[in-house]
Amino acid sequence: QKEVEQDPGPLSVPEGAIVSLNCTYSNSAFQYFMWYRQYSRKGPELLMYTYSSGNKEDGRFTAQVDKSSKYISLFIRDSQPSDSATYLCAMSPSAGNKLVFGAGTILRVKS
Amino acid sequence: EPEVTQTPSHQVTQMGQEVILRCVPISNHLYFYWYRQILGQKVEFLVSFYNNEISEKSEIFDDQFSVERPDGSNFTLKIRSTKLEDSAMYFCASRGNSPRPNEKLFFGSGTQLSVL
Repeated sequence: QKEVEQDPGPLSVPEGAIVSLNCTYSNSAFQYFMWYRQYSRKGPELLMYTYSSGNKEDGRFTAQVDKSSKYISLFIRDSQPSDSATYLCAMSPSAGNKLVFGAGTILRVKS
Repeated sequence: EPEVTQTPSHQVTQMGQEVILRCVPISNHLYFYWYRQILGQKVEFLVSFYNNEISEKSEIFDDQFSVERPDGSNFTLKIRSTKLEDSAMYFCASRGNSPRPNEKLFFGSGTQLSVL
């Protein structure tokens, strides 16, 4: 079983849709969970950072962590064409440790 | 806004040649990293560097790889004898001291290395 699994997509949605992106993981030591956005030929850019289980909201983005199920989600409300990118989940067992990334989900928002 | 700068953006080299990938981290940062992403695969950790020494490295980071902070501003990754499978996008990242360090980790735009 891969340490972090993420459906690569592509996921294609109309503008204004709610997008749900997910990752599952196998290592119960992971405590810190992140979502990154990556545009073509650019480095990952941090979107959301959460610790342990629970929800976190920032504007149109909501991150959820369910440690009991080893499942994390990112929701994007009112999706825009500018949200079209690859979304990477990442996690680590402690605050400053190396990150373990998922494979990334390609999102396309059509206008 | 401060950013991590990587040069060159593209590097083409012949198998067996040495390459040096260069990074200028954000100026007051203390922790430096290299990650790589083979086309179509996930971003993978290579090495972390703090206080002029390697703090952690992955299995990928074998004897062919080395890192250096030759002066107060640059952070380099050297591959001594490149192999075809070293072809990838290499990302440099840096952060300062922070209670939530991974929240303040910034990535550069990457160097696309192509080994022919």
